[in-house]
Amino acid sequence: NAGVTQTPKFRVLKTGQSMTLLCAQDMNHEYMYWYRQDPGMGLRLIHYSVGEGTTAKGEVPDGYNVSRLKKQNFLLGLESAAPSQTSVYFCASSSQGNEQFFGPGTRLTVL
Amino acid sequence: RKEVEQDPGPFNVPEGATVAFNCTYSNSASQSFFWYRQDCRKEPKLLMSVYSSGNEDGRFTAQLNRASQYISLLIRDSKLSDSATYLCVRDQAGTALIFGKGTTLSVSS
Repeated sequence: NAGVTQTPKFRVLKTGQSMTLLCAQDMNHEYMYWYRQDPGMGLRLIHYSVGEGTTAKGEVPDGYNVSRLKKQNFLLGLESAAPSQTSVYFCASSSQGNEQFFGPGTRLTVL
Repeated sequence: RKEVEQDPGPFNVPEGATVAFNCTYSNSASQSFFWYRQDCRKEPKLLMSVYSSGNEDGRFTAQLNRASQYISLLIRDSKLSDSATYLCVRDQAGTALIFGKGTTLSVSS
């Protein structure tokens, strides 16, 4: 039982490049979330999903897209990376929208 | 707009001290509240849920005051291993969580 895993752990992009962050959970959770964490800003919700095939915007969705084609996976896409998207990205999942289990994070730098 | 406010600290205390963190929230409709712990460069992990009746888990006690929209966390007999950032959290419509920016605790010997 791996819990929540994230791929990759680290990435450096150039401005304008695209990439996809993958989150996977093996706990059969319905809810999944993507956050970014920046110094002095705390955790901010980007997008979330309450079930397979559904997604919703969080607090800071601009510049990101998500997909939940399979229950166990939640993908976060950056179509054209900007330096302002340099951050630590955390994925989380929960069974009923309460206690959330987090992945180890992806550290992204956009040059 | 941040709907969960915490004193960022840092709180610097010696081993064995008792320390209390406070948190206020702005949405009276929230039903669930939590304290999460986050170690440096690690992911947040649930420390404990917070109930109106108050709850205790070993050296940790959490309290919720709905009338004042106020949450607290008390840590007794602080250990070096308690050094971390503590995040105050409320639910949003039962689907998402709103996190405070965190309070940093440093316990020294």
